This record gives sequence, structure tokens and C-alpha cells, in this order.
Amino acid sequence: DADVTQTPRNRITKTGKRIMLECSQTKGHDRMYWYRQDPGLGLRLIYYSFDVKDINKGEISDGYSVSRQAQAKFSLSLESAIPNQTALYFCATSDLTTTGAEGYTFGSGTRLTVV
Amino acid sequence: QKEVEQNSGPLSVPEGAIASLNCTYSDRGSQSFFWYRQYSGKSPELIMFIYSNGDKEDGRFTAQLNKASQYVSLLIRDSQPSDSATYLCAVNEDMRFGAGTRLTVKP
Repeated sequence: DADVTQTPRNRITKTGKRIMLECSQTKGHDRMYWYRQDPGLGLRLIYYSFDVKDINKGEISDGYSVSRQAQAKFSLSLESAIPNQTALYFCATSDLTTTGAEGYTFGSGTRLTVV
Repeated sequence: QKEVEQNSGPLSVPEGAIASLNCTYSDRGSQSFFWYRQYSGKSPELIMFIYSNGDKEDGRFTAQLNKASQYVSLLIRDSQPSDSATYLCAVNEDMRFGAGTRLTVKP
């Protein structure tokens, strides 16, 4: 099984619909992140969470919300989807060790299309 | 506005050559830097990290960091066609990524 699992893998939804993307991890990491990737723009941070009670906005949080249901679960919601939210969405986890911050482990991504 | 910048490429090198990928960052206080490889349609995977000035080698990969000049680079020696991918630079503290450089290694 994958360390970081995202569901669904692909989703087509209509403008104005509410949609939730889910992420679960077995790494035991406290830190979880949601990024979106658009061609030519790289990965941009939407929200991040350093523990269950810590939720923070990223660079492009408008139009999105998140929920950290448990250490292992971090979901992203689009309350009213719009076409410019069409993108590839990645969940990632990381940890902070005595030697410094570790790199990210990414999920396989969710390709979201809003029509 | 904190920035991480990379040349988008594409960068094309012949098989067996050295590929050099560069990244600059704006936050002088940044401490930890990561390189990820992303194959088309796949998720990024971590290949190197570096915290201290100088070079860090891991197999065919060498990361170089110069904090005074605020750049970090990745060298890939003996490039192989399987190295063809997009390479993403990331600054950990800012949780920011560069847009990526697309590398093509031609047989």
C-alpha cells in the first residue's frame, strides 16, 4: 500500500458543486500539505497543517477549505468549484527530525476538472 | 514575496553528459533545500537535500549550495535517458517550489 493515498484519482465536476479530496497517510508524519500543480506554475501551496490542531493558509487558499480529522487524514474541499480550479492536486507529508526538516512524500495526485 | 526560480527549459543533453540544473531563492534566511524529480503524469519524488554550503554527492547526483549567492544547483553525471523528467527545486522553510526544469537526455 502507498504511504500517502489520495482519493479520488480523477474527478470531473460541474461549476458550483462542492467537492472533497481526501488524503490519508501511514508515514506517521505530523505535517501534511495540499498543493496544486498547473502547467508552467509549478506546485503552489494551498493549506498546511503541522498537527491536528494547527491549520494554516498557504499561498492560494481562497476558494478552498481543509479539515484535519486525525494525524493521518487531511482533506481538501472546494465549496463551490469553478473552472480555474481545474488542476492536479497533490497531498504531501513531512516530518521534522533532530537533523532538520525532511523532504516531502507525495501522494499520487488527484486530477480535477471543473466544467 | 518569497520566490524560488528555475529555468523552465527544456534542457537537452546527450547520454553520458553532465546535466546542470540551477535554482535561485529570495529568502536569505532559508536553511534547507530539496530537489525532486517528477516524471510526466507522476508525483514528485525526493532525490537530494542539502543544508550546508558546498557540495553533497549521492551516486550520480551532486547538490551544490551557495547561501551567499542564494543559489542551489543539481548536477547529474553520466546522464541516462531514464533521467528525462522535470526537476523541482524546493525551499523547505517557505514550503515553496520552483516551476521546474524539464530535462531530456537523448540517446
